[in-house]
Amino acid sequence: AIQLTQSPSSLSASVGDRVAITCRASQGISRALAWYQQKPGKAPKLLIYDASSLESGVPSRFSGSGSGTDFTLTISSLQPEDFATYYCQQFNSYPQITFGQGTRLEIK
Amino acid sequence: EVQLVESGGGLVKPGGSLRLSCAASGFTFSSYSMNWVRRAPGKGLEWVSSISSGSGYIYYADSVKGRFTISRDNAKNSLYLQMNSLRAEDTAVYYCARDPYEAYYFDYWGQGTLVTVSS
Repeated sequence: AIQLTQSPSSLSASVGDRVAITCRASQGISRALAWYQQKPGKAPKLLIYDASSLESGVPSRFSGSGSGTDFTLTISSLQPEDFATYYCQQFNSYPQITFGQGTRLEIK
Repeated sequence: EVQLVESGGGLVKPGGSLRLSCAASGFTFSSYSMNWVRRAPGKGLEWVSSISSGSGYIYYADSVKGRFTISRDNAKNSLYLQMNSLRAEDTAVYYCARDPYEAYYFDYWGQGTLVTVSS
């Protein structure tokens, strides 16, 4: 199965900061990658699909990049509502879908 | 507005069974593939199972294959997960999630239902 490794596992940042979360696949997955945000007690929310396409309604401060094995989720200017856990998900090897282990973004 | 509402979670002993349901509204349920995804305490997300719009294609994660059965009733706009031979490691919040047009990612999720497997 394709493994996804996110880094860092946790991150402390301040409102207004630019942050980047990376996701590395154990083998090439083209651009078959999505990013989700999850807040405590809430359902995950789709942010990015196909590595860089912004889901409708998601603020433009979120962006995704990468292809092959290395991907990045960037938040250009952190807002208070962005503090959450972020997951990447690959679907190149559908139906064996896998998620990264998550990156917890905390307030500094 | 798209809504997915899970139900059926609870406390069950190891080896027991449970059936989860997901009630869908706000979209043409019969046109979409649906999935179950879980999150164990302190762990990340894990895809569990998927079912195509007409139930012709069904897939499972290796961790649940042979024990869990996914199904749907398009007339009732409902998705199900029958879980048998439950183990402690199946303890998790279970989410149903919609796949937008065979895209293999998930654009809408329910709030989840907690399954606890413990003696």
